[in-house]
Amino acid sequence: GQNIDQPTEMTATEGAIVQINCTYQTSGFNGLFWYQQHAGEAPTFLSYNVLDGLEEKGRFSSFLSRSKGYSYLLLKELQMKDSASYLCAVSEDGGFQKLVFGTGTRLLVSP
Amino acid sequence: GAVVSQHPSRVICKSGTSVKIECRSLDFQATTMFWYRQFPKQSLMLMATSNEGSKATYEQGVEKDKFLINHASLTLSTLTVTSAHPEDSSFYICSARLGLAGEHIRNEQFFGPGTRLTVL
Repeated sequence: GQNIDQPTEMTATEGAIVQINCTYQTSGFNGLFWYQQHAGEAPTFLSYNVLDGLEEKGRFSSFLSRSKGYSYLLLKELQMKDSASYLCAVSEDGGFQKLVFGTGTRLLVSP
Repeated sequence: GAVVSQHPSRVICKSGTSVKIECRSLDFQATTMFWYRQFPKQSLMLMATSNEGSKATYEQGVEKDKFLINHASLTLSTLTVTSAHPEDSSFYICSARLGLAGEHIRNEQFFGPGTRLTVL
């Protein structure tokens, strides 16, 4: 079966650093995506990891350990506009390479 | 970048009526499109995978006779919610994948802006 877990909610302060964890157990693996979603809007792409290690992109970084079934999204220098839901999604291999989404983490950034 | 549009963005209908939602890839061809449903404060749940020129593949628990999917061209997929009921009220989001699976380094999906359906 497919199981992708994230914390439900997190809070942080403007200017701080926050790490959002994602653990997964899936029948196949062809990469892991992180998406940002503001309320009432579509998800927007943040990062993609298919090999172990850290991918850095400005204020956002994402890490993957395939052997541990674990990823995290690191957000630095938090801004108020970073308040949103962050979705971890695993791409299956084979077939249509569907995305299986985690439960999502609602991040609230306070002044 | 790859742009996906959805129409309408919001729809309110009476119980028992049917509603059609369009998903278009504006600047690329999408062999595969996906339809998701998202309830408040929940994550995206895949409903079905739509392939151009063939029948859609539905996820377990999704009624294919209720949620009709047509992918008639490489840039358009439609989802029709038939005989809608209040419990069908949700945020419906489509996505499109660039080209064919395996052709690109990452099989990124590009999401439409979503359609908010409210059934009275």
